[in-house]
Amino acid sequence: AQSVTQLDSQVPVFEEAPVELRCNYSSSVSVYLFWYVQYPNQGLQLLLKYLSGSTLVKGINGFEAEFNKSQTSFHLRKPSVHISDTAEYFCAVSGGSNYKLTFGKGTLLTVNP
Amino acid sequence: ETGVTQSPTHLIKTRGQQVTLRCSSQSGHNTVSWYQQALGQGPQFIFQYYREEENGRGNFPPRFSGLQFPNYSSELNVNALELDDSALYLCASSLDIGGEKLFFGSGTQLSVL
Repeated sequence: AQSVTQLDSQVPVFEEAPVELRCNYSSSVSVYLFWYVQYPNQGLQLLLKYLSGSTLVKGINGFEAEFNKSQTSFHLRKPSVHISDTAEYFCAVSGGSNYKLTFGKGTLLTVNP
Repeated sequence: ETGVTQSPTHLIKTRGQQVTLRCSSQSGHNTVSWYQQALGQGPQFIFQYYREEENGRGNFPPRFSGLQFPNYSSELNVNALELDDSALYLCASSLDIGGEKLFFGSGTQLSVL
């Protein structure tokens, strides 16, 4: 079984500041890791994914994440946020049979002017 | 841009009723997954259909059932609705049964009174 813990339920930041959204996972098998973003009244959009290879993964909208196997973490970062980045962010893991995603509870990123 | 469409967008039912939610997959996708997202929570996997057959199921009771049609559109049926079934129901399609490339619809918001 897999589980995902998003360590912060809310993260407020000012525009143009850097941000890190933290995610830890547990799994008994090798995993694939994902970050999704959900804007109000919309479905989920894939930001980035780690399947294998380089542990630093770059995604859309200037986001990146680093897979750390020893710390079982997959933290999401952006060096400079914009107002438009305000949204709910979900970390997710897929492993074993690979047919389902297990999501964390989400982190609400609020970017203030 | 996602080609996954869900209908209706909002629905209000009373306890004990039955409901059918619909999903039209992105063109060429033969796999559909359904997720339930309760308020303030991450999405939870309900089940997946691949080429019209159920391919995996999460921890949901049998009153949650589904269908996938030859054109790969899909339905989620919930019988004997309970108050806790109130949630956003998300449909996601993919080219294959792996969880790597899911395209989510905007969801159906179900309220059970």
